[in-house]
Amino acid sequence: RKEVEQDPGPFNVPEGATVAFNCTYSNSASQSFFWYRQDCRKEPKLLMSVYSSGNEDGRFTAQLNRASQYISLLIRDSKLSDSATYLCVVNRGGGYQKVTFGTGTKLQVIP
Amino acid sequence: GAGVSQSPSNKVTEKGKDVELRCDPISGHTALYWYRQSLGQGLEFLIYFQGNSAPDKSGLPSDRFSAERTGGSVSTLTIQRTQQEDSAVYLCASSPSPRAYEQYFGPGTRLTVT
Repeated sequence: RKEVEQDPGPFNVPEGATVAFNCTYSNSASQSFFWYRQDCRKEPKLLMSVYSSGNEDGRFTAQLNRASQYISLLIRDSKLSDSATYLCVVNRGGGYQKVTFGTGTKLQVIP
Repeated sequence: GAGVSQSPSNKVTEKGKDVELRCDPISGHTALYWYRQSLGQGLEFLIYFQGNSAPDKSGLPSDRFSAERTGGSVSTLTIQRTQQEDSAVYLCASSPSPRAYEQYFGPGTRLTVT
């Protein structure tokens, strides 16, 4: 089983729609979770961290479900500029500085 | 301020040749990572440097790959006797310790082995 798994998509949604992605992780001891965004042929960029209590940044909401070992990203009122690949990232913690990237979920927002 | 820079941006080489890829991290960042991303694939971890500690080389796919970081700053990734399967985008990232998970990526080097 992969350490971090994501549905590759693509998710094709109309402008203004709400869309959600999940990401599952296999190591129950994982401590830190993040979402990165990667535009086509560009480098990944940190979108947001995922906190235990859930957190929101504008139209983006991230949540963590430790019991089921997944994190989610919800995007409300989708914009064309949200079209990108969203990478789930997990750090196993314990002073271990490496992170594991998922293969990403592709989102295409359609006019 | 200046971000992570990588050079060259593109490199085409013949099978069997050696290549060197360079990464200039953000000033003051103590952690530096190399990843590889093949077309349509996720990021594959290669190697990690943290300060003066021994690097974590666990992701290097073969002994043809090596990397060094001089003076805790610039890093070079060397691939010897390149093979066609080495073709990929090689991404470097740096991060400020201890929050090493906030990684700032360079634009990458697109390597094509013919």
